[in-house]
Amino acid sequence: QVQLVESGGGVVQPGRSLRLSCAASGFTFSSYAMHWVRQAPGKGLEWVALIWYGGTNKYYADSVKGRFTISRDNSKNTLYLQMNGLRAEDTAVYYCVRDSAAAGDPSNEIDYWGQGTLVTVSS
Amino acid sequence: DIQMTQSPSTLSASVGDRVTITCRASQSISIWLAWYQQKPGKAPKLLIYKASRLQSGVPSRFSGSGSGTEFTLTISSLQPDDFATYYCQQYNSYPITFGQGTRLEIK
Repeated sequence: QVQLVESGGGVVQPGRSLRLSCAASGFTFSSYAMHWVRQAPGKGLEWVALIWYGGTNKYYADSVKGRFTISRDNSKNTLYLQMNGLRAEDTAVYYCVRDSAAAGDPSNEIDYWGQGTLVTVSS
Repeated sequence: DIQMTQSPSTLSASVGDRVTITCRASQSISIWLAWYQQKPGKAPKLLIYKASRLQSGVPSRFSGSGSGTEFTLTISSLQPDDFATYYCQQYNSYPITFGQGTRLEIK
């Protein structure tokens, strides 16, 4: 079965960096585009970033553009989110999610979600 | 960016009721809309994609309709398991955006 397991969250001071990882299993990771979606405590969902299955194309939310970098290592079945210049408003649960389309362009429909990792930005 | 607005923000209903949640887009998104259900402390679950297509394994009491700028999610007969928060998501263009959520609570 599809499993997405995030790690790397924690408490970090404003301005510092953090890297999230997502270990994928139960499907052909290299065939699927992947996204990060976040949810601030008690708030709604916010899409963060997308990476194509081959890693060539990437898109970002305006709120993280220039600070966050999405990447993947298909040989390790792992998705990453490098977060630099963290701000208090980046505090959220970060979900690693799978795009529903296998190969080709992403569908941008999210069919599997990890359980999330909490990032808290605070001094 | 395309803004998604859901109404109502909170909905009180009883088991067996028929309920409808509305999602409006700030510009036309054709049929590129999905609905998700989220329960407290859990990750969201895909219910509907392409505005009206039921995700595999989702009960048929859930249905979606609409195109352009106005969309609805309907639950034909509420079950106890349906009390949750529902989000719409547009994927017509980047950045992908979500509605603010509709909390469905027990009356």
